[in-house]
Amino acid sequence: EAQVTQNPRYLITVTGKKLTVTCSQNMNHEYMSWYRQDPGLGLRQIYYSMNVEVTDKGDVPEGYKVSRKEKRNFPLILESPSPNQTSLYFCASSLFTGRRTEAFFGQGTRLTVV
Amino acid sequence: AQSVTQLDSQVPVFEEAPVELRCNYSSSVSVYLFWYVQYPNQGLQLLLKYLSGSTLVKGINGFEAEFNKSQTSFHLRKPSVHISDTAEYFCAVTSNTGGFKTIFGAGTRLFVKA
Repeated sequence: EAQVTQNPRYLITVTGKKLTVTCSQNMNHEYMSWYRQDPGLGLRQIYYSMNVEVTDKGDVPEGYKVSRKEKRNFPLILESPSPNQTSLYFCASSLFTGRRTEAFFGQGTRLTVV
Repeated sequence: AQSVTQLDSQVPVFEEAPVELRCNYSSSVSVYLFWYVQYPNQGLQLLLKYLSGSTLVKGINGFEAEFNKSQTSFHLRKPSVHISDTAEYFCAVTSNTGGFKTIFGAGTRLFVKA
């Protein structure tokens, strides 16, 4: 089954404690991205990757890091989480055939930073 | 810069009534348009998309949308809603310019009442 898998689904952590949210896709998609979803703001892109070892900032990259060492995986790293990073996070992937393709989303990770 | 405006944050409607969820975008170039649906505690999934051709697009679950270039709109419609259509709906726009970025609207929460 084609899917994007994120882990964990729920996470509560303390300010400053480094964490990683994993994302994996089994569709051989080139393009992957991370979004955060906040009430009234929709989805905002954090980082994206067009292929292995190619990553770039989205609209709200501050406080986040990513890496793309393998095509299927695109982890999101919070080196020193802060309460304003409490949010619902989604990983997405799509075929990179220009801009005509839709995104496939993971189930989401609800992060709370206290 | 492109932007997406979903004109209603919440839309309550009775079961079997018709519904329209409004979406306007701003972009000076050609665009590709998408509607996604998010059921509670799930990721987003594609409802329908407009890439080119006929301006009336049919999607899953009986939804359809009409691309209106002169009014820069892409409103989503369903002639008769079900309780199971209760969800959040996101309009998204990808433009035919440099950089692969999709902009999402803030979302419209559809409540279907019995």
